[in-house]
Amino acid sequence: QVQLQESGPGLLRPSQTLSLTCTVSGGSISSDGYYWSWLRQHPGKGLEWIGYIYPSGSPYYNTSLKSRLTISVDTSKNQFSLKLNSVTAADTAMYYCARAHDYGGDFDYWGQGTLVTVSS
Amino acid sequence: EIVLTQSPGTLSLSPGERATLSCRASQSVSSIYLAWYQQKPGQAPRLLIFGASSRATGIPDRFSGSGSGTDFTLTISRLEPDDFAVYYCQQYGSSYSFGQGTKLEVK
Repeated sequence: QVQLQESGPGLLRPSQTLSLTCTVSGGSISSDGYYWSWLRQHPGKGLEWIGYIYPSGSPYYNTSLKSRLTISVDTSKNQFSLKLNSVTAADTAMYYCARAHDYGGDFDYWGQGTLVTVSS
Repeated sequence: EIVLTQSPGTLSLSPGERATLSCRASQSVSSIYLAWYQQKPGQAPRLLIFGASSRATGIPDRFSGSGSGTDFTLTISRLEPDDFAVYYCQQYGSSYSFGQGTKLEVK
């Protein structure tokens, strides 16, 4: 059973950099047929895709966040990470990591989520 | 960007009844790239349906998906108490997008 677990600080000041890591267990992040994604959900709102990365290291980003976003992968640690620069209160959200099938793009395994609050 | 519009926003039904949730896309979506999720308060979303009509592992057969092109439907044949939650559709065309969700509540 694949499991994903997000980790990172829960409180940031405006203009700081958000750094989150997702640790994958129960399976290899290098397995064929999947890519590794970040999504977020603003309080009381719907889901927003942030971006994903293939095990080979090629990332794809939501165009609305692309200028501030870096997603990377560390296959030796079975982890992938998100960095979002220059955060504002609008980046306050629950952040999820998830695994997606590269064939259909559906997310079959999710982390439990980590709440990130941006406040001065 | 493909916009997904879900209706109704809230659906009030009783256990044992049939639920029909709609997801309409602003342009055609390949069925391969249409999925449905269930989300309960304080939990991550759970994949129910992928490829518009295939049930994910462990999903009961009272959940079914259908549709093509711009119109997709999630049907729950006989509601159980555990089914009351928020449901999202999602597409992966040129990029990802989600519907705004349908809240299924107890009448």
